Amino acid sequence: KAGVTQTPRYLIKTRGQQVTLSCSPISGHRSVSWYQQTPGQGLQFLFEYFSETQRNKGNFPGRFSGRQFSNSRSEMNVSTLELGDSALYLCASSKGPGGDTEAFFGQGTRLTVV
Amino acid sequence: QQQVKQSPQSLIVQKGGISIINCAYENTAFDYFPWYQQFPGKGPALLIAIRPDVSEKKEGRFTISFNKSAKQFSLHIMDSQPGDSATYFCAAVGGSNYKLTFGKGTLLTVNP
Repeated sequence: KAGVTQTPRYLIKTRGQQVTLSCSPISGHRSVSWYQQTPGQGLQFLFEYFSETQRNKGNFPGRFSGRQFSNSRSEMNVSTLELGDSALYLCASSKGPGGDTEAFFGQGTRLTVV
Repeated sequence: QQQVKQSPQSLIVQKGGISIINCAYENTAFDYFPWYQQFPGKGPALLIAIRPDVSEKKEGRFTISFNKSAKQFSLHIMDSQPGDSATYFCAAVGGSNYKLTFGKGTLLTVNP
């Protein structure tokens, strides 16, 4: 069974640009969550989608947005990139909503903003 | 506000030894406590999880101890092996925002 697939694996962007990251969850999983991982702040929750609806949102500025499609694939977008947005962005999929169902993480997208 | 505090930041253990990582939480609404293991270049993977209705859960060499009154839980890795060298994250879930709140992580190094 295929795992969670995140594309691209690496990205280099310039300040002010925008970026879109993609996540394909495990087949049959309808919940997708996004996390930002940095050495200083650790793993921080961005948002969670279930059945195309955003259920939860973390404490990130409005420049961070996401969506989920009918096939459960999800994208997150960051507009007007700042140097501090450099991080590993992780997607996790689970069968149902909420954090108490086992979440399977992808390998992440490493975003570098220069 | 750091809702889950994890210690130590790093840990070095000899092969065969016991690795102990501790976490403390503040939000009494948390009701699910998973531990994740992350190797370099990989995403976190669920290792073991516990709910507050039990005080201990064991899976192979990995044991979670849970103290509800103290709002603390810990991961014990028995007979630690070099292959256990990774970053370990505790997490908590519950309350109005049903999302994983992670500790800052512990970098475990097991020397051969």
